[in-house]
Amino acid sequence: GENVEQHPSTLSVQEGDSAVIKCTYSDSASNYFPWYKQELGKGPQLIIDIRSNVGEKKDQRIAVTLNKTAKHFSLHITETQPEDSAVYFCAASPGFQKLVFGTGTRLLVSP
Amino acid sequence: GAVVSQHPSWVICKSGTSVKIECRSLDFQATTMFWYRQFPKQSLMLMATSNEGSKATYEQGVEKDKFLINHASLTLSTLTVTSAHPEDSSFYICSARPGQGHEKLFFGSGTQLSVL
Repeated sequence: GENVEQHPSTLSVQEGDSAVIKCTYSDSASNYFPWYKQELGKGPQLIIDIRSNVGEKKDQRIAVTLNKTAKHFSLHITETQPEDSAVYFCAASPGFQKLVFGTGTRLLVSP
Repeated sequence: GAVVSQHPSWVICKSGTSVKIECRSLDFQATTMFWYRQFPKQSLMLMATSNEGSKATYEQGVEKDKFLINHASLTLSTLTVTSAHPEDSSFYICSARPGQGHEKLFFGSGTQLSVL
């Protein structure tokens, strides 16, 4: 089955800096890679996703890149703000099957 | 669109009692819903896949008699934790896809269960 590894487990940045979170997956059949933001005591919120036929996708300050050959995908947040502080999860899925989540990254943005 | 509503947001119960958690898709029909469990500072672990009109599919290691899932309509799935014990205390989250052919998975707000 699919296995997703996520790094780093914690990330501290200053407001305005960029933050990068990286994930690797094991199943070459996976073709859908979403990223979720989870605030304390709340359910995960989908922030961006990418399919395997696309190498990069951007939405304002957030971007995701995918290297299908290396089975790597990354989340990039530019111009970070304190409200970006949360736990971020990557996930992988072979199509419409269940999602397998990474272990999470706790992002702290200091003013 | 694609709103998933989950209730209650938190519940405290005595050991040995049962607790029901509801998950509703508010603006779409969901033939499949997913139930996750999350311990503090850990990732989401899939417990079971809830299928409308049929039996749920449980992940390995999840007791189906302990965690009863009912998906009686296209907009409602329920998770009942039977004979709850302190080790069942956790954050339970449901999710759903807005229809067949959609990859995006949307989550409810979660239910914090505390068993005394």
